[in-house]
Order: sequence, then structure tokens, then C-alpha cells
Amino acid sequence: EDQVTQSPEALRLQEGESSSLNCSYTVSGLRGLFWYRQDPGKGPEFLFTLYSAGEEKEKERLKATLTKKESFLHITAPKPEDSATYLCAVRSGGGADGLTFGKGTHLIIQP
Amino acid sequence: NAGVMQNPRHLVRRRGQEARLRCSPMKGHSHVYWYRQLPEEGLKFMVYLQKENIIDESGMPKERFSAEFPKEGPSILRIQQVVRGDSAAYFCASSPGTGGEQYFGPGTRLTVT
Repeated sequence: EDQVTQSPEALRLQEGESSSLNCSYTVSGLRGLFWYRQDPGKGPEFLFTLYSAGEEKEKERLKATLTKKESFLHITAPKPEDSATYLCAVRSGGGADGLTFGKGTHLIIQP
Repeated sequence: NAGVMQNPRHLVRRRGQEARLRCSPMKGHSHVYWYRQLPEEGLKFMVYLQKENIIDESGMPKERFSAEFPKEGPSILRIQQVVRGDSAAYFCASSPGTGGEQYFGPGTRLTVT
């Protein structure tokens, strides 16, 4: 069974204080690791897809990296508007197309 | 280009009633996924549909839940005889094909009283 574990569950940072969120996964044949951002009362917003170990993607202050066992979402010099819950999900090679999600990291950036 | 649309956004049902949730995928997308998010839990996959076909319903409860994606019109998630445990946010996502990223709608928040 596919499993995704995100840590920490919650993280509070000062504006400008860089940090990283972790996503550990167990999957039978990875067919994609996805990062989403979710604001309260809204649906997840797509950020990145990573397919193979060593791959990196960047968007503004966010950078996602992937190894064979985990992914990191690095946040550089965050701003208060980066406050949200960040979700990690995997698609396995078992044939199913549904994503398996972690519980998310609730990030708060204080001004 | 409009995103994934879901309605209603909020739905209140009494125990034993039926709930119908609708999802219109993004333009050009023919693959629809339904997920459920319970309080303090992660998103859980329920069902994957293409036009007129259920491809994977491995996450659907065996009873009371059904889904369809007709040739014309939105995808429908139907919950019969709702119970309090069905209270959750239900999200629909769409993609243009298999294997790519999924784009989510704003969700329908179901409350069973």
C-alpha cells in the first residue's frame, strides 16, 4: 500500500526565514510526486510534478527536489502570503491513477 | 479558461437524505477524479472516471456511494441515505489525460445534521 508522510505537521517561520518541508514516501513504482498548496476553504492548487530522483523544479520562492525515498519543498525568504498547507502526493505504478496524499504541513509565515 | 467547477459549494442534508455533488472539468479535460477530505485527515481518493466509464473505484465505499460522468453534462457523485460520518469536503479534480497533474475544484462541503 502506498504511503506518504509529511513533516513537520506545522511550521511557524518569521518572514525571510528559509526552511524545508519533508515528504517521505513508500510506493510501488513511482509515476510522479506532486506538490500542492491549499488555502483554508479552497481546493488544492497545483505547484510541481517530479518524476525521477535528482529532478528539481522551481517557482518563485519555492523549489522542489526528489530522491528515491523523499521529496523536499524548500522555501526561500518566505513572505506572509506563502502561509498555507502544503500537500505532497504520489501516483504509483500499480495502474491506478488516483493520488495518495500526505496529511500536509501547515505553514505560517509571520511578518 | 475556467477552472474546475463544483456545485453546490455548501450542502446541508439531514440523515437519510440523498446528496448530489456536481463537477464540471476544465475545458479540454476528459478525466475526472473525486476525493474526500475529512477533518484533520488527508485527501483520500475515491473514484476515477472518463466519459461514460468508471475506470477505478477502489476508494469508493461499497454501499450508498456512486459516481457517473455522462457523455453530456457534469460528473455526479451521489451519496444515498447520508449519515453523519459522510460530513466532509468533497473535491473533484480533472486532467487532460492519464499520468499528468490533476487540477482541483473548490470543493463541496457536505454537512449532515
